[in-house]
Amino acid sequence: GIQVEQSPPDLILQEGANSTLRCNFSDSVNNLQWFHQNPWGQLINLFYIPSGTKQNGRLSATTVATERYSLLYISSSQTTDSGVYFCAVKAGGYQKVTFGTGTKLQVIP
Amino acid sequence: GAGVSQSPSNKVTEKGKDVELRCDPISGHTALYWYRQSLGQGLEFLIYFQGNSAPDKSGLPSDRFSAERTGGSVSTLTIQRTQQEDSAVYLCASSLAGGASNYGYTFGSGTRLTVV
Repeated sequence: GIQVEQSPPDLILQEGANSTLRCNFSDSVNNLQWFHQNPWGQLINLFYIPSGTKQNGRLSATTVATERYSLLYISSSQTTDSGVYFCAVKAGGYQKVTFGTGTKLQVIP
Repeated sequence: GAGVSQSPSNKVTEKGKDVELRCDPISGHTALYWYRQSLGQGLEFLIYFQGNSAPDKSGLPSDRFSAERTGGSVSTLTIQRTQQEDSAVYLCASSLAGGASNYGYTFGSGTRLTVV
């Protein structure tokens, strides 16, 4: 099946700093999502972005499908951004979405 | 409903007992997914429903695990003869459609299962 790798695995930021999270995948995809899992375990869908660029407030994401990667940008980070960020993809005729290993982000005041 | 609802939110059970976990998806969402997340780990796919049928059951870890969906809505995940390694958070997600269609997922809050 498709392999999904995320980097870095762990990240500590000072509040107000910017960061870039990366997701690499091993095959062509027709569905790519970014999720944030907060410290209480709730998964929130941030972006549905199989290709191109989207922005939502301080967050933006870019997927370059031909080169098999996606980037999530967090600007002016806040403590509420802490948690785990997952990239999830679906390839070809597969029914399920496969999740990456996640990036654990801690934003400190 | 407004979101994906899962119940119970927490379940502690004795080893060997059967448990049922419930998922109520967003109204109109035809696709429903079950995932499992062990402590500090990523999400492990269990099963996918399109309507009431399950085209992909490939993630069910053993024959002790089963799931059904009725009326194209509520789904129940049943674990028989629970083992300690079944302890995890069980997450349900729904989307507007599945298969060849592509939509974002909405997750429920999960059921935290502890087998003692």
